[in-house]
Amino acid sequence: DVKVTQSSRYLVKRTGEKVFLECVQDMDHENMFWYRQDPGLGLRLIYFSYDVKMKEKGDIPEGYSVSREKKERFSLILESASTNQTSMYLCASGVQETQYFGPGTRLLVL
Amino acid sequence: QKEVEQNSGPLSVPEGAIASLNCTYSDRGSQSFFWYRQYSGKSPELIMFIYSNGDKEDGRFTAQLNKASQYVSLLIRDSQPSDSATYLCAVNSGGSNYKLTFGKGTLLTVNP
Repeated sequence: DVKVTQSSRYLVKRTGEKVFLECVQDMDHENMFWYRQDPGLGLRLIYFSYDVKMKEKGDIPEGYSVSREKKERFSLILESASTNQTSMYLCASGVQETQYFGPGTRLLVL
Repeated sequence: QKEVEQNSGPLSVPEGAIASLNCTYSDRGSQSFFWYRQYSGKSPELIMFIYSNGDKEDGRFTAQLNKASQYVSLLIRDSQPSDSATYLCAVNSGGSNYKLTFGKGTLLTVNP
């Protein structure tokens, strides 16, 4: 079974804080993705990576950065959290175009 | 802008009936198509994928693809209350781009 884990299920942060969300997969997948999911807006791609130290912007990269130092780990960084970044954050990993999701992190920014 | 459209629902069917979920996509070059199930408060779970025109069956699930009409559907036979969830359609445009474009999902309710 594919296993994708995320560091926290729920997180509460203050405006202006730097926030780290971590994702780890154990299937040696090349590709990893970060999405956010909001009611009425669906899943939106923030960043993705198809190799170690490689990253590409998705549809909504503003306010976010990512890091992939090891193949199994892909981190999403909110440089200065804002209230409009309150959302469900979903990490996925995969082979070619097939993606498997982690459990998600529900982030609340106050 | 590549788009994937789904009826948001809710789609309500009685237990034991066939549920039919539909999806259209705008990019004619799309090459692979995915269906995910998402229970309330949970993350999406891959149900099945289809690449070629026609039907693909997996247990109670059948995916149908018609590239000429840019249409993909998911049929769930003998629907169960445990099938009640939001179903997301996702499309990949092919090449070396592994991004998926997701629809906003259809909420399915199966009534006992």
